[in-house]
Amino acid sequence: AQSVSQHNHHVILSEAASLELGCNYSYGGTVNLFWYVQYPGQHLQLLLKYFSGDPLVKGIKGFEAEFIKSKFSFNLRKPSVQWSDTAEYFCAVNRRTNAGKSTFGDGTTLTVKP
Amino acid sequence: DTEVTQTPKHLVMGMTNKKSLKCEQHMGHRAMYWYKQKAKKPPELMFVYSYEKLSINESVPSRFSPECPNSSLLNLHLHALQPEDSALYLCASSQPGRKYNEKLFFGSGTQLSVL
Repeated sequence: AQSVSQHNHHVILSEAASLELGCNYSYGGTVNLFWYVQYPGQHLQLLLKYFSGDPLVKGIKGFEAEFIKSKFSFNLRKPSVQWSDTAEYFCAVNRRTNAGKSTFGDGTTLTVKP
Repeated sequence: DTEVTQTPKHLVMGMTNKKSLKCEQHMGHRAMYWYKQKAKKPPELMFVYSYEKLSINESVPSRFSPECPNSSLLNLHLHALQPEDSALYLCASSQPGRKYNEKLFFGSGTQLSVL
């Protein structure tokens, strides 16, 4: 079974600081990778995704993530965070052969101080 | 319309009650999901319907009974729940198939409290 690890449970940054949230997965086969975000009081929504091709993917609101296959990692980055980025961030993975079954990491709470 | 609509938003029920959660989407998605999310925890998959047929049941207790009346609707019938079942219940949908790679669209959820 696949599993997802997010190393940072709670990250606190000041505005304009750079962000990197770690995500590692354990599954040897071909996977689809996602980052979802849950802003306070809102529903989960897709931030970005990787299926194939360029391992550096760009998402909404200036976020990007890099898939490093050799490290089984899909870390999320943003060069300069804003107060409005305060949210819960979830990394998720599903197998190409069973894409209906997504596994989520435990989530990282990001707090950005103004 | 890119929304997944869930009703009710909040539900309080006793352990002997029977209630239902409803989910609706009009994006033409043929896969629909129920997830359970406890506070500060990731969503946990409960059920997956693909083309109106139950394709995944993650060993969910029988007090939770899903139903997919048509391609736009998904229900979760609740009966004899326990206090530990209190959680946010999320519905999601996606377009199955390799081309779409199962990107999930989530509803806002139903916050369920079992007394």
